[in-house]
Amino acid sequence: DGGITQSPKYLFRKEGQNVTLSCEQNLNHDAMYWYRQDPGQGLRLIYYSQIVNDFQKGDIAEGYSVSREKKESFPLTVTSAQKNPTAFYLCASALAGGTYEQYFGPGTRLTVT
Amino acid sequence: QQQVKQSPQSLIVQKGGISIINCAYENTAFDYFPWYQQFPGKGPALLIAIRPDVSEKKEGRFTISFNKSAKQFSLHIMDSQPGDSATYFCAAGGAGSYQLTFGKGTKLSVIP
Repeated sequence: DGGITQSPKYLFRKEGQNVTLSCEQNLNHDAMYWYRQDPGQGLRLIYYSQIVNDFQKGDIAEGYSVSREKKESFPLTVTSAQKNPTAFYLCASALAGGTYEQYFGPGTRLTVT
Repeated sequence: QQQVKQSPQSLIVQKGGISIINCAYENTAFDYFPWYQQFPGKGPALLIAIRPDVSEKKEGRFTISFNKSAKQFSLHIMDSQPGDSATYFCAAGGAGSYQLTFGKGTKLSVIP
């Protein structure tokens, strides 16, 4: 069953703790993305990676970090520096090389109290 | 920041009616315009997409209309069904980048 998996579906953390969200894909896609979704705000790009060992900041990268050590994996760390971390986080992937079709995972809802 | 403006924010349509959602963009270099459908608690799913070399694309009950001169595109859902109730996002991409810029979404409710 091919696709994008995100785990866990729900995540709870205390304020001041770093937390890492998992994103794995078996679609052999080159590009991977992390978005944050808040009610009424649409999808905002946090980070993206077009190739292993390379990634770029999106529009709201402050307080987040990523790594891309393997083609299949693109974990996102929400650090304690992120002021409002409670949100729905979505991972997506795309087959690079001129196509723009992005396919999304099921999302992780992070709640920080 | 390049924007994609989406309207309306919410929409209520009777079963069997036509749902119409509109988007406008600024960057004339955009050359890929997808629509995504998202159900509560799920990730968005690609519904239909268009390139600017055509003015309309139809897939089943879903049609994208594209007006390049006005920098606008819209999603039409014919014979709307309660199962179509979801949030719809338009997006724009291209211009040498693999990023998509998303609209803020339209919550569609189809009532029986």
